[in-house]
Amino acid sequence: QVQLVQSGAEVKKPGASVKVSCKASGYIFTGYFMHWVRQAPGQGLEWMGRINPKSGDTNSAQKFQGRVTMTRDTSISTLYMELSGLRSDDTAVYYCARNTYTFATDYWGQGTLVTVSS
Amino acid sequence: DIQLTQSPSFLSASVGDRVTITCRASQGITTYLAWYQQKPGKAPKLLIYAVSTLQSGVPSRFSGSRSGTEFTLTISSLQPEDFATYYCQQLNSYSCTFGPGTKVELK
Repeated sequence: QVQLVQSGAEVKKPGASVKVSCKASGYIFTGYFMHWVRQAPGQGLEWMGRINPKSGDTNSAQKFQGRVTMTRDTSISTLYMELSGLRSDDTAVYYCARNTYTFATDYWGQGTLVTVSS
Repeated sequence: DIQLTQSPSFLSASVGDRVTITCRASQGITTYLAWYQQKPGKAPKLLIYAVSTLQSGVPSRFSGSRSGTEFTLTISSLQPEDFATYYCQQLNSYSCTFGPGTKVELK
């Protein structure tokens, strides 16, 4: 069965960087684009960007360009999302999600809480 | 970028009610609109994709439709497990946008 398992919660200081991982299993890792989505406490869903695990090509929301880096390691079927220059308003749950061929996201990781606090 | 608005933001309803949530796009989009259900502390769950196709395992009381740039999620008979927040999403080759969400609460 498809599973996306993310790394554990993080606490970071303003200005620092955080790297969240998402390990995929149960399907062909390079066969599906993957997205990163975040959700601030009590707020809605915000798309950050996507990666093609086969090529490594990425595109991100304009808001995060220059601050977000999405990578993958195909040898271990794992994605990474690194966000730099953290601010308090980056405090959120970060999700990875699998893109379907019909342009939706059918499987989601369990989420990783990133708290930015001095 | 395409913006999505949802109405209402909050909805109070009773078990058995028919519930309709609307999502409007700021510009024309293709057929790639999806609906998600999210419960507190959980990841979103895909309900409907490509406007009206029910995701495998989702009860048939959920349905989706479209009229121009207006998309609708309907729950034909609200069940206790349906109290949650619902989001629409448009996804294309370049971007992804979520609506702000509609919280369905028990009246």
